[in-house]
Amino acid sequence: DAKTTQPPSMDCAEGRAANLPCNHSTISGNEYVYWYRQIHSQGPQYIIHGLKNNETNEMASLIITEDRKSSTLILPHATLRDTAVYYCIVRSRYNYGQNFVFGPGTRLSVLP
Amino acid sequence: DTAVSQTPKYLVTQMGNDKSIKCEQNLGHDTMYWYKQDSKKFLKIMFSYNNKELIINETVPNRFSPKSPDKAHLNLHINSLELGDSAVYFCASSLSDRESYTFGSGTRLTVV
Repeated sequence: DAKTTQPPSMDCAEGRAANLPCNHSTISGNEYVYWYRQIHSQGPQYIIHGLKNNETNEMASLIITEDRKSSTLILPHATLRDTAVYYCIVRSRYNYGQNFVFGPGTRLSVLP
Repeated sequence: DTAVSQTPKYLVTQMGNDKSIKCEQNLGHDTMYWYKQDSKKFLKIMFSYNNKELIINETVPNRFSPKSPDKAHLNLHINSLELGDSAVYFCASSLSDRESYTFGSGTRLTVV
């Protein structure tokens, strides 16, 4: 079962930053926070992951609170092509056979 | 070049038939997976497999069986198809079971 809580949907204006929150209050010290997204009719796409430090790559930034109980995925300049369902997932860094468990995610709609 | 490719993209078949979905990855990954996304859009792991171990989600009926002729392929065989098997099936792969997954574009199976 998913161990994260996300809002079911959000809107964002094109060109603005999209900030997608995720609560993971029961996260343990050895669990990473991962973000994937699924654009309509496509397979999920990996975006970013982090343990406790903030992370940035060419797609997004990940801000993790100091207590690690929540995080925010930031798409700095959202485009229409960023409309998708975004999944926040926690998974052990040691895995031991633990697969990615996808919850319902947040449906982000980028509006023109 | 598609990293994880699935064929066919669409499959319509009658109840009771046996069908296969093929998956190939050209990433040199060691572990491959099958996920099922039902009409409610929840993604659920079915199998994970590397050259050492097959891990089966206990909720998957034994009519479903993965076959791996080599490290780059993990095909999904389904016997005695039922209406409830209608879904989108996604193949994925990862460098190891600790890394992020790369997903294929999915196979939409419709059982009539």
